[in-house]
Amino acid sequence: GQSLEQPSEVTAVEGAIVQINCTYQTSGFYGLSWYQQHDGGAPTFLSYNALDGLEETGRFSSFLSRSDSYGYLLLQELQMKDSASYFCAVIKGSARQLTFGSGTQLTVLP
Amino acid sequence: GAGVSQTPSNKVTEKGKYVELRCDPISGHTALYWYRQSLGQGPEFLIYFQGTGAADDSGLPNDRFFAVRPEGSVSTLKIQRTERGDSAVYLCASSSPGLDTQYFGPGTRLTVL
Repeated sequence: GQSLEQPSEVTAVEGAIVQINCTYQTSGFYGLSWYQQHDGGAPTFLSYNALDGLEETGRFSSFLSRSDSYGYLLLQELQMKDSASYFCAVIKGSARQLTFGSGTQLTVLP
Repeated sequence: GAGVSQTPSNKVTEKGKYVELRCDPISGHTALYWYRQSLGQGPEFLIYFQGTGAADDSGLPNDRFFAVRPEGSVSTLKIQRTERGDSAVYLCASSSPGLDTQYFGPGTRLTVL
C-alpha cells in the first residue's frame, strides 16, 4: 500500500518562516513533488525532489531524505497570498503518476 | 505559452446521464493524466496516456468511466450512467517527454443531482 502524512493545518504570520512536513510509505518511489492550490484553483507545481537534499526556488525550498521517507516544504518571508493548501505527492510507477497527501491548509495572518 | 485547458469549467447533470469532459494539454506534452479531487482531499489518479494509448487505467473506479486520446493531443473523459458519488472536480495534467513535472488544468467541476 501507500500513504502520505502531512499536517492538516498550519498558521503563521506575514514575514515568518513555515515548514510543512511530509512522510510517505510507498513502493516504486521516483521522487517527491509539492503543489500549491488556492480555493477553486488548479494545483500549481512548486518543486520536485528526486535526490536527497535541498532544492531552492525563490522563497520556497524543498527537502527530501529517501532513507527516512521524509520531505518538507519551507516557505520563507510569508505573504498573505501564500494562504492556500499545500500538497506533497509521490511520483511512482511506470506511469510516473502522482499520489497526493490530503493537503495542509496554510493560513497567513497579518 | 498556453497552459492545460479543460472544458467545460462546470457541468451539472442528472443521475443516470452521460457526460464528456475535455482536456487540451500543453503543446508538445506527450504524457496526459486525469485525476479526480473530492472536497478536502488531494487529487486521485484515474488514468495515464502516453501518446494515443492508455498506458495505465488502474485508477478508473469502474467500467462507467472511460477516456480516449485518439490523436495524441486532446483527451476526453467519458462517464456513463452518472451517480451522485461521481460529483467532484476532474483535473487533467500533462508533462513533457522525459520529465516528471506535471502541469494541471483548471479542472471541470462535475455535479450530479
